[in-house]
Amino acid sequence: QQPVQSPQAVILREGEDAVINCSSSKALYSVHWYRQKHGEAPIFLMILLKGGEQKGHDKISASFNEKKQQSSLYLTASQLSYSGTYFCGTGSNAGGTSYGKLTFGQGTILTVHP
Amino acid sequence: DAGVTQSPTHLIKTRGQHVTLRCSPISGHKSVSWYQQVLGQGPQFIFQYYEKEERGRGNFPDRFSARQFPNYSSELNVNALLLGDSALYLCASSLGREGQPQHFGDGTRLSIL
Repeated sequence: QQPVQSPQAVILREGEDAVINCSSSKALYSVHWYRQKHGEAPIFLMILLKGGEQKGHDKISASFNEKKQQSSLYLTASQLSYSGTYFCGTGSNAGGTSYGKLTFGQGTILTVHP
Repeated sequence: DAGVTQSPTHLIKTRGQHVTLRCSPISGHKSVSWYQQVLGQGPQFIFQYYEKEERGRGNFPDRFSARQFPNYSSELNVNALLLGDSALYLCASSLGREGQPQHFGDGTRLSIL
């Protein structure tokens, strides 16, 4: 089943913070976050594996709560370049070989204004 | 290093025709996955190939098929095209191991008239 992302859209001013959530009804093994700009390929941001770990990437970080089956992406001090659609992709095949199968949410549109 | 490359970038077909889309993975990547992305939605998984074997198949009809070659490049074939097949087709490659990210190509924009 497709993970659910919230909010569907968010509008920010430069320098403001945002949180994007990704929830699944299935047990999660991994969560992959991507950003896609209009007409371009999704760009990989980070991957989190089960274990509740948190990862950081400059001013973008994410957490993964295995028990709640959800992940959150944190964008701090947003920049104009952060604008785009953010997708979470979930993997649920722990220990198998289908690491290439991700189920993506419907996306969160992030717009950053000057 | 070159990223994932896909060809063609755009394609226009009519209903009933067939199409072949091509993908070259990042050097050293042995896994290729195909996704369909309809406007306004997230990518939807079609196939995964690893070491030339099919490792996963999404909920798509048998009109969709794929294969992977010894050099790890891949083709996606779609027969008897329908209007609903109009979409962006994305190829992603990875090392295919646990915890490894997938990197996407720019996609092929397929339009069915």
